[in-house]
Amino acid sequence: QSALTQLASVSGSPGQSISISCTGTSSDIGRYNYVSWYQHHPGKAPKLIIYDVTARPSGISDRFSGSKSGSTASLTISGLQAEDEADYYCSSFTTSITWIFGGGTKLTVL
Amino acid sequence: QVQLQESGPGVVNPSETLSLTCSVSDSSILSGDYYWNWIRQPVGKGLEWIGRIYLSGSINLNPSFQGRVTMFIDKIKRQISLRVTSVTAADTAVYFCAREPYVGGGFDPWGQGTLLTVSS
Repeated sequence: QSALTQLASVSGSPGQSISISCTGTSSDIGRYNYVSWYQHHPGKAPKLIIYDVTARPSGISDRFSGSKSGSTASLTISGLQAEDEADYYCSSFTTSITWIFGGGTKLTVL
Repeated sequence: QVQLQESGPGVVNPSETLSLTCSVSDSSILSGDYYWNWIRQPVGKGLEWIGRIYLSGSINLNPSFQGRVTMFIDKIKRQISLRVTSVTAADTAVYFCAREPYVGGGFDPWGQGTLLTVSS
């Protein structure tokens, strides 16, 4: 199975908003509302920040939001903070009863 | 808050079998409300889903690992195990275990991960 498509890197200044896109197919993102997003600081455990396309786990800032249109999902981070600098991964359930990840996007806060 | 902790040998010789264990801190492994997943990250690369196991022993695998991966669930020890046969340098990675709700949700929480190096 091929990975979901994410841009390798994105950057923004503190206080700005950025969006990270994640493109799949009709067999994954386009088929299910089981899209999740993870924040990963290298050397630490990845953290779930969005699940089921738009839901936020308890304790996750409302600066993080998710959406989906067709086979493309997006993560938006508003009011960028230095601590948001990390790698971000999307994931989707698939019609093969498997999960698939995106290649990851490195967010740099300028 | 449940905690997951992976453990493993650290180094494995090429062509041998790697075995990793994930210890679960609470009784959620017995509830039937969750799948238990293995995910890995080769050094400098992205996350790759390996597969998941349910309480019943039912397993779903990434097709890339079919025929090479086995998973076990030990309800008494509250552990999930992963075995990968015929390892090569390409299997060098940080291996994570993660919990997934039976319906919906995402992978939460994750363990800290354990580095597995394939080298002679």
